[in-house]
Amino acid sequence: AQTVTQSQPEMSVQEAETVTLSCTYDTSENNYYLFWYKQPPSRQMILVIRQEAYKQQNATENRFSVNFQKAAKSFSLKISDSQLGDTAMYFCAFTGPSNTGKLIFGQGTTLQVKP
Amino acid sequence: GAVVSQHPSRVICKSGTSVKIECRSLDFQATTMFWYRQFPKKSLMLMATSNEGSKATYEQGVEKDKFLINHASLTLSTLTVTSAHPEDSSFYICSATRGAGNYNEQFFGPGTRLTVL
Repeated sequence: AQTVTQSQPEMSVQEAETVTLSCTYDTSENNYYLFWYKQPPSRQMILVIRQEAYKQQNATENRFSVNFQKAAKSFSLKISDSQLGDTAMYFCAFTGPSNTGKLIFGQGTTLQVKP
Repeated sequence: GAVVSQHPSRVICKSGTSVKIECRSLDFQATTMFWYRQFPKKSLMLMATSNEGSKATYEQGVEKDKFLINHASLTLSTLTVTSAHPEDSSFYICSATRGAGNYNEQFFGPGTRLTVL
């Protein structure tokens, strides 16, 4: 069975600085998809970034980038130039090769951006 | 982007009553929808997979007779919490799958907060 682990329950960062959130996962699949979702206080889930396992290049979306290490089964999220609006709970998620949409979530990391 | 709505956004009910939560994909057809449960400051726990026109597939440990799921159309799935008890109080989130080529993207509803007194 696949599992996703986020070992940092809470993190904080000063505005404009960079922070990295960790995520590891376990799967026997060779192809799969990984995601980072943001859940702000409104509790609306927002897709931040996604990575397809067969792509070696790390995904980037503006200030958000990932460090995907397939062999190590690691998928960290780097947030550059942190903004107050980045304050939220962040979830790492996994879905298998059939990509039916069934997501397995990590425990979540609460990120607070301080002014 | 695609929009998924949930209704109601919050509901308070008495113990023993049933509550229905609707999940709608507003501008696309969703063959598959998912229902999650989330406790405060915790992760999303998948409850069931809802496919249009067929019975829902429940995750292990989820009581299918308590959490009734109906996917009546390509744009609507409902979750009914039957004979609700205080321990059913939680935040319920649905998501809908929209296919785009070989990639199926998930769109989440805003969630429903259920409080059982």
